[in-house]
Amino acid sequence: LAKTTQPISMDSYEGQEVNITCSHNNIATNDYITWYQQFPSQGPRFIIQGYKTKVTNEVASLFIPADRKSSTLSLPRVSLSDTAVYYCLVGDGVKFNKFYFGSGTKLNVKP
Amino acid sequence: DAGVIQSPRHEVTEMGQEVTLRCKPISGHNSLFWYRQTMMRGLELLIYFNNNVPIDDSGMPEDRFSAKMPNASFSTLKIQPSEPRDSAVYFCASSFRTNTDTQYFGPGTRLTVL
Repeated sequence: LAKTTQPISMDSYEGQEVNITCSHNNIATNDYITWYQQFPSQGPRFIIQGYKTKVTNEVASLFIPADRKSSTLSLPRVSLSDTAVYYCLVGDGVKFNKFYFGSGTKLNVKP
Repeated sequence: DAGVIQSPRHEVTEMGQEVTLRCKPISGHNSLFWYRQTMMRGLELLIYFNNNVPIDDSGMPEDRFSAKMPNASFSTLKIQPSEPRDSAVYFCASSFRTNTDTQYFGPGTRLTVL
């Protein structure tokens, strides 16, 4: 089953670019990689999704190498409001209906 | 659309009591998910419905937990009897089709079992 591994926490300063890497060694052919953001006392919120190479939207970029065994969420020029937990999610290609949120990475942005 | 609606937002009950959590998914979404979040275990998927049919309930911790989706606009998660270890935040989420689609989460229900 395609589970994920992420750093437990990261620190950054305002204005810096932050890269959070997720490992998913057992990713299946049909799996997509999705990242969510969660603020305290709120439900997770979708950030970005990709299958391979690079995806970019208005808030983040997602880099996926050719072997797809990892992915990197890139947040450009973070601000204090980006302090949150970031989850990497991989669809389970064996039981395709089931999937796992990763352990999440707590990003702390300092002034 | 108002987004995913959950009720109640907070629930405090005593051990042994029945607890029912409610969820209204986004109109038009065909998939509904129930999650539980605790500090120790993080975010866990409990059960997943597609077109009102439970597809995978292997994440349901034990027989005390049950979930239903009688129609496309309503789902319940019931705990009977409740125990202190069930204290957690319970999230409902919905998506348009499958698990690869973006999931939209509700605000959650914070359950405290004394």
